[in-house]
Amino acid sequence: QVHLVQSGAEVKKPGASVKVSCQASGYVFTGYYIHWVRQVPGQGLEWMGWINPNSGVTKYAQKFQARVTMTSDTSSSTAYMELSTITSDDTAFYYCARARFYGDFDFQYWGQGTLVTVSS
Amino acid sequence: DIQMTQSPSTLSASVGDRVTITCRASQSIGNWLAWYQQKPGKAPKLLIYKASYLESGVPSRFSGSGSGTDFTLIISSLQPDDFATYYCQQYNSNLPYSFGQGTKLEIK
Repeated sequence: QVHLVQSGAEVKKPGASVKVSCQASGYVFTGYYIHWVRQVPGQGLEWMGWINPNSGVTKYAQKFQARVTMTSDTSSSTAYMELSTITSDDTAFYYCARARFYGDFDFQYWGQGTLVTVSS
Repeated sequence: DIQMTQSPSTLSASVGDRVTITCRASQSIGNWLAWYQQKPGKAPKLLIYKASYLESGVPSRFSGSGSGTDFTLIISSLQPDDFATYYCQQYNSNLPYSFGQGTKLEIK
């Protein structure tokens, strides 16, 4: 069975960077894109971007283009999302997700979420 | 960017009710629409993909329809486990893959 297990909660100061990991199991890691979606507490869902672990190619939402870096490590089947120059507006749950099939963008599997709190 | 607008934002209903949630896209997205259910403290759960296809394991009381710009999620007979927040998501080729603002389904 497919599992996406994310790293634990983070507390960061404004201006810092945060890196969240997502370890995949139960399927061929390089066969599916990993997406990142965030959710400010009490608000809606926001797609941030994807990485193709097979090629390392990424695609980011324009809103995050200047501050986000998505990477992957095929040896450990782990994807990473790093967000730089964070502010209190970046306080949110960050989820990794995988689609049903390669090339699809409906998210069948989700990580448990990682809460990132930005506070001075 | 494609804007997704859900209505209503909040819906009060009773067990056994038939419930309809709508989602409108700011431009045509074909049938590239998914519906998710989210409960407090949990990740979203995929219910419907490609507008009308029921995800495996999802009860048949959930159904989706629509194409182009107008879409509907119907729960035919509400069960206690269905009280949650529902989101639509478009995944047309136009980035970003945007979500609706959510519909919170509450117990009347």
